Amino acid sequence: AQSVTQLGSHVSVSEGALVLLRCNYSSSVPPYLFWYVQYPNQGLQLLLKYTSAATLVKGINGFEAEFKKSETSFHLTKPSAHMSDAAEYFCAVTPPTGANSKLTFGKGITLSVRP
Amino acid sequence: GAGVSQSPSNKVTEKGKDVELRCDPISGHTALYWYRQSLGQGLEFLIYFQGNSAPDKSGLPSDRFSAERTGGSVSTLTIQRTQQEDSAVYLCASSTHVGSGYTFGSGTRLTVV
Repeated sequence: AQSVTQLGSHVSVSEGALVLLRCNYSSSVPPYLFWYVQYPNQGLQLLLKYTSAATLVKGINGFEAEFKKSETSFHLTKPSAHMSDAAEYFCAVTPPTGANSKLTFGKGITLSVRP
Repeated sequence: GAGVSQSPSNKVTEKGKDVELRCDPISGHTALYWYRQSLGQGLEFLIYFQGNSAPDKSGLPSDRFSAERTGGSVSTLTIQRTQQEDSAVYLCASSTHVGSGYTFGSGTRLTVV
């Protein structure tokens, strides 16, 4: 079975500082990986995805993530945090098949941005 | 429609009553998923529909939970004899294929009192 681990439940950064949210996966084969963001009282929005093409993936709102097979990681980064980035972030994994399959989500990390 | 639509957005019900939650996916999306989000529990998979195939019900927590998808479009999640532990946000998502990721609705917040 596949799984993702998001260490810690809360990250706090200053506005303008680097954002780093960690995600490690467990899978017998390199999976498809996703990052989603959830703002208060809203559904989840796709930030970016890795589907076995380029290992460095750029997403919306200036976020990017790098797939590292040797480290089984897919950490999310943003060079400079903005107040509007405060939200909950979820990493998710699914088998790399052509068909639809369910996503398995991590427990999420809450990002706070200090002025 | 342009997005995944869920109704109602909020539902308060008395313990023991049945509730129905509705999801209207994006037109043309063949796959539809239900997840439950509880405080501190992350997102818990409930059920998944793919086209005309038998649904994957492996995440349903008990036989009080059921779901159907009519005509390959709208889905209804039914919870019978609701319990307080059923209080959560129920999220619906749809997709065309796994590599595209999901599009989520805004969810239904269910409170059982």
